[in-house]
Amino acid sequence: AQSVTQLGSHVSVSEGALVLLRCNYSSSVPPYLFWYVQYPNQGLQLLLKYTTGATLVKGINGFEAEFKKSETSFHLTKPSAHMSDAAEYFCAVSDAPTGKLIFGQGTTLQVKP
Amino acid sequence: GAVVSQHPSRVICKSGTSVKIECRSLDFQATTMFWYRQFPKKSLMLMATSNEGSKATYEQGVEKDKFLINHASLTLSTLTVTSAHPEDSSFYICSAPDRNYGYTFGSGTRLTVV
Repeated sequence: AQSVTQLGSHVSVSEGALVLLRCNYSSSVPPYLFWYVQYPNQGLQLLLKYTTGATLVKGINGFEAEFKKSETSFHLTKPSAHMSDAAEYFCAVSDAPTGKLIFGQGTTLQVKP
Repeated sequence: GAVVSQHPSRVICKSGTSVKIECRSLDFQATTMFWYRQFPKKSLMLMATSNEGSKATYEQGVEKDKFLINHASLTLSTLTVTSAHPEDSSFYICSAPDRNYGYTFGSGTRLTVV
């Protein structure tokens, strides 16, 4: 069965600083990996996904993530944080294109002026 | 792109009543729908998977008789919270696999049971 661990339930950065949100997964098969963002009382918005191919994935709003099989990681980064990036971020894994999507615990990103 | 319309966005109901939440895929056929529950400040917990024309598959610990899921057509899946109690208050979100090896989420339903 798949599982996801997000290291750090709360991350605080200054505006303009690097954003790094950590995600490690467990899967018995090649995983499909996702990062989502959620603003208060709203649904989820896809930031980026890894299915196959290039391990460095670029997403929306300047975010990117790298799939590292040897480290079973899929960390999310953004070179320069904006105030509007403050939100809840979820890493998720699926073992198939239409399989169950299992979420990590979430990381709250705070951006300080 | 793929859109899943979820209604209502907010609902307040009295204890003991039932509430139905609908998720419709607007521009694609959703043969599968995942239903999640999210507690405040918490992650999404998968409750069940519905497949068009067959019984839903529930995750361990989820009460089948409390959370009735129906997937009667390729574009509509419903979750009915029966005999709701305050502890059922939560944020419920549906999701369907889309054509692009991803998942399309509804906008969520905030249920408050008073």
